[in-house]
Amino acid sequence: SQELEQSPQSLIVQEGKNLTINCTSSKTLYGLYWYKQKYGEGLIFLMMLQKGGEEKSHEKITAKLDEKKQQSSLHITASQPSHAGIYLCGADIGDYGGSQGNLIFGKGTKLSVKP
Amino acid sequence: DSGVTQTPKHLITATGQRVTLRCSPRSGDLSVYWYQQSLDQGLQFLIQYYNGEERAKGNILERFSAQQFPDLHSELNLSSLELGDSALYFCASSVGPSTGELFFGEGSRLTVL
Repeated sequence: SQELEQSPQSLIVQEGKNLTINCTSSKTLYGLYWYKQKYGEGLIFLMMLQKGGEEKSHEKITAKLDEKKQQSSLHITASQPSHAGIYLCGADIGDYGGSQGNLIFGKGTKLSVKP
Repeated sequence: DSGVTQTPKHLITATGQRVTLRCSPRSGDLSVYWYQQSLDQGLQFLIQYYNGEERAKGNILERFSAQQFPDLHSELNLSSLELGDSALYFCASSVGPSTGELFFGEGSRLTVL
């Protein structure tokens, strides 16, 4: 069963618009990780959230982890074509009974930004 | 550039064959992970090595095996290949064994015909 659910599956936005991607876990998380993947390429680490209520920002991307540590959101402000790609959330397998240090991932959200 | 090198980038082979995928981790990283990415399954964790020792196993088939060598590079061996093994195989590395900040290679795209 899929432990991390991402929504939406895909998103098309006009350049300059804001957007939000959500990631929901079936269990409380020790850590939630956001990665970005360009089509056919490797994943790039964006941010890690560990504390309930934590919020981190990098350039125009902000990620939050809710107080219960079961849901995270990724918000992009004033989107640009360079933001296009697939965004994946990841969680430590240790949270699901496995060995810590390995990640399971959501299925990803494909973002397209129209110029 | 993540510093993780994977070869080959593309590989086309036939069912029943065996292939080896190679990964060189970032300089200084002791942990190597293998992931498989397909359209239907998404990104699936296969196996992790830390400093030459197997640390954790995920959804890795018995037909697949891996190892990490003394120089820390790793190889993933896939045998008795089936059509369903066609996927993008990623290697990732990290400094320690228990961190979620992974550095991914560009992947090896395997096509089984």
